[in-house]
Amino acid sequence: EKVMTQSPGTLSVSPGERATLSCRASQSVGSNLAWYQQKPGQAPRLLIYGAFTRATGIPARFSGSGSGTEFTLTISSLQSEDFAVYYCQQYNNWPLTFGGGTKVEIK
Amino acid sequence: EVQLLESGGALVQPGGSLRLSCAASGFTFSDYAMSWVRQAPGQGLEWVSSISGSSDGLYYSDSVKGRFTISRDNYRNTLYLQMNSLRAEDTAIYYCAKWRNIVASDFDYWGQGTLVTVSS
Repeated sequence: EKVMTQSPGTLSVSPGERATLSCRASQSVGSNLAWYQQKPGQAPRLLIYGAFTRATGIPARFSGSGSGTEFTLTISSLQSEDFAVYYCQQYNNWPLTFGGGTKVEIK
Repeated sequence: EVQLLESGGALVQPGGSLRLSCAASGFTFSDYAMSWVRQAPGQGLEWVSSISGSSDGLYYSDSVKGRFTISRDNYRNTLYLQMNSLRAEDTAIYYCAKWRNIVASDFDYWGQGTLVTVSS
């Protein structure tokens, strides 16, 4: 099983600042990596797939990078609606696995 | 517009059974694999099971293998999860999720979830 480790667990950021979230895989997942955003009481929403491709309707301030075992989600200028929990997910192999999440909170 | 609507969640005793349903609309259901993903209270996301569009591919996490069965009815555009021998650790919100495409098992649409509580 490929273990996905996200860091930090919590990120405190001021509105308008840049946020950088990390996701590390225990073994290579190629570029088969997705990022999701989840707000309280809501289902997750796909942000990024293929490590760097934005899903339909996702603002350009969200960007993904990396391949193999190291991945990054960057939010260039945080808006109020971006404060949420973010999860990475590998879909290179079964079982599909998610990271533990990074909570982005208002500083 | 793609919509996924789960139902069937309930309070059930340990050792009991439950069947979840997910009614899909807004896309050609039979063309897409589907999955169940769960989230225990205050916890992260955990993949549970997936099924191919034609039901010839079934996949389970080790934590549910042998207890849960995924299925689908492409005429009714509905996904199912039969859950047997339920345990306290199965308590979670269960989401159904649509695969983004035929080969990529990331999820571009999710339902709002249905709560399963296993407790005596």
